[in-house]
Amino acid sequence: AQSVTQLGSHVSVSEGALVLLRCNYSSSVPPYLFWYVQYPNQGLQLLLKYTSAATLVKGINGFEAEFKKSETSFHLTKPSAHMSDAAEYFCAVSVNTDKLIFGTGTRLQVFP
Amino acid sequence: EAGVAQSPRYKIIEKRQSVAFWCNPISGHATLYWYQQILGQGPKLLIQFQNNGVVDDSQLPKDRFSAERLKGVDSTLKIQPAKLEDSAVYLCASSPRRTGSTDTQYFGPGTRLTVL
Repeated sequence: AQSVTQLGSHVSVSEGALVLLRCNYSSSVPPYLFWYVQYPNQGLQLLLKYTSAATLVKGINGFEAEFKKSETSFHLTKPSAHMSDAAEYFCAVSVNTDKLIFGTGTRLQVFP
Repeated sequence: EAGVAQSPRYKIIEKRQSVAFWCNPISGHATLYWYQQILGQGPKLLIQFQNNGVVDDSQLPKDRFSAERLKGVDSTLKIQPAKLEDSAVYLCASSPRRTGSTDTQYFGPGTRLTVL
């Protein structure tokens, strides 16, 4: 069965600092991997997805993620945090289907 | 292009009452999903429709939950009777292509249900 683990339920950074949100996956076959963002009282919005093309995936709002098979990781990064990045971030995995399995989420706080 | 619409946005009921949620997907999207998101957890798939047929309802508590998608467009999710543990946000999502395509899912704003 597939699963994802998000390390750290809360991450705090200063505005302008590097953002690093961690995601590790478990899958017996090559996975598809996703990062979604959820702002307060809103639905989920796709940030980026990996579908077996380039291992470095660029998404919206300056975010990117790198698929590392050897480490079974798909960490999300942004070089410089902005106040508007404060939200909950979810990593998700699917295998050969469109059924998404989500992690438990990481809440990002950005301090001025 | 209009997004996924859901109503109501908030609902408070007492346990053992019934409740229904409505979802209108993006026009032309064939696949529709209902997720349950309990506080502090990621969304969990309850049911997936392809047009008006059920593709996967393995995680739906069928003794109390039901869902339909008449005419392959709008969908309703019903809980009867509700339990305290049903308190959650219910998210609807849709995607344009056929089942198995791993296409992007577009989410609605959700309905926050509180069961007292």
